[in-house]
Amino acid sequence: GESVGLHLPTLSVQEGDNSIINCAYSNSASDYFIWYKQESGKGPQFIIDIRSNMDKRQGQRVTVLLNKTVKHLSLQIAATQPGDSAVYFCAEIISNFGNEKLTFGTGTRLTIIP
Amino acid sequence: EPEVTQTPSHQVTQMGQEVILRCVPISNHLYFYWYRQILGQKVEFLVSFYNNEISEKSEIFDDQFSVERPDGSNFTLKIRSTKLEDSAMYFCASRDRQGDSYEQYFGPGTRLTVT
Repeated sequence: GESVGLHLPTLSVQEGDNSIINCAYSNSASDYFIWYKQESGKGPQFIIDIRSNMDKRQGQRVTVLLNKTVKHLSLQIAATQPGDSAVYFCAEIISNFGNEKLTFGTGTRLTIIP
Repeated sequence: EPEVTQTPSHQVTQMGQEVILRCVPISNHLYFYWYRQILGQKVEFLVSFYNNEISEKSEIFDDQFSVERPDGSNFTLKIRSTKLEDSAMYFCASRDRQGDSYEQYFGPGTRLTVT
């Protein structure tokens, strides 16, 4: 069955350091992955996405790595800032001609230590 | 930047009462979704909606739930007879048809408290 899970529920990182958040998925049919950030009291906010035919994608201060062999996804945040403190969710999609639903993982709470 | 809006931000209701949660998706978007998040848990898919009909629904979305796009701008989620376990944050999301991205834009959520 489909499932998306996170290795660590909490992560604390010193401001300015890099952080890595990991995610495991089990559905090999998943062909699209998204990282979302959720701040307290707000809805999920898109960070970066990656298709299953890629193994790396970079954005501004963020990089997503996809290892399909071990069904593992990671989000790297460079030079962390206090505003990066939030819960981060990975989500997977099995494309279905427009009916794509997001299946979310359980989330990792990232805390940036000043 | 366009955004998804939701009202109310917080709804308190008694068990057995009907509630309607309202959403205004981004205006040119064609796909609409409802998700819920029980406190401290992950976000769960409820239903997707396209071309004025439900595309897919989860096991959570039983006969007590319904969705409607009554006027071309609003997208509503109705719970006919609320239960205590319906207490959660409810998020509306929408997506554009264009491009390769499957990015769904989420609203700020409605906190539903059933007493």
